[in-house]
Amino acid sequence: AQKITQTQPGMFVQEKEAVTLDCTYDTSDPSYGLFWYKQPSSGEMIFLIYQGSYDQQNATEGRYSLNFQKARKSANLVISASQLGDSAMYFCAMRDYNQGGKLIFGQGTELSVKP
Amino acid sequence: DGGITQSPKYLFRKEGQNVTLSCEQNLNHDAMYWYRQDPGQGLRLIYYSQIVNDFQKGDIAEGYSVSREKKESFPLTVTSAQKNPTAFYLCASSPIRQNRPRTEAFFGQGTRLTVV
Repeated sequence: AQKITQTQPGMFVQEKEAVTLDCTYDTSDPSYGLFWYKQPSSGEMIFLIYQGSYDQQNATEGRYSLNFQKARKSANLVISASQLGDSAMYFCAMRDYNQGGKLIFGQGTELSVKP
Repeated sequence: DGGITQSPKYLFRKEGQNVTLSCEQNLNHDAMYWYRQDPGQGLRLIYYSQIVNDFQKGDIAEGYSVSREKKESFPLTVTSAQKNPTAFYLCASSPIRQNRPRTEAFFGQGTRLTVV
């Protein structure tokens, strides 16, 4: 069965520093996609970054990068140069393509950026 | 503008009532999803649908029902059998492609349901 695990309920980071949010996953399917979303206090879900299971390089999107270690089944999100506006909940998600596109989420990590 | 519209934003339900949450998308996406989020928690999948007139149960389907009569619409009914329905409900949609292209889900703004 698919599973996403985020072991850090809350994280603090100083403004302008980098932070890593952990995500491990479990699936028996070789074809899958990994996603990170940000959820501010307003509740909206903002897509940040995607990594496909067959991608050879780690994904990057501006200040976001994904440290993808396929053998360890981990897909950690790295935020560089943290900003106050980065304070939010962050969710890791996975879609297992051979399970018909079912999309599941981890429990989330609440990130607080300190000035 | 393309997107996903959920309504209402806030909904109050009396105990024993059924209520229906609306979700409409004009993105021409095949897949649609309903999630429940409790305070400080992650998103739990209630139901999902990949095609019109077909849907599958997620992890917490008990007390909920859905329909998918049109590609654009995926309403969720919270029935009286759902004993603790107070939560934030999020609808999402995404394309389905068998190859590797990115297929992130797009979310609506959510409906906050409260039992009074």
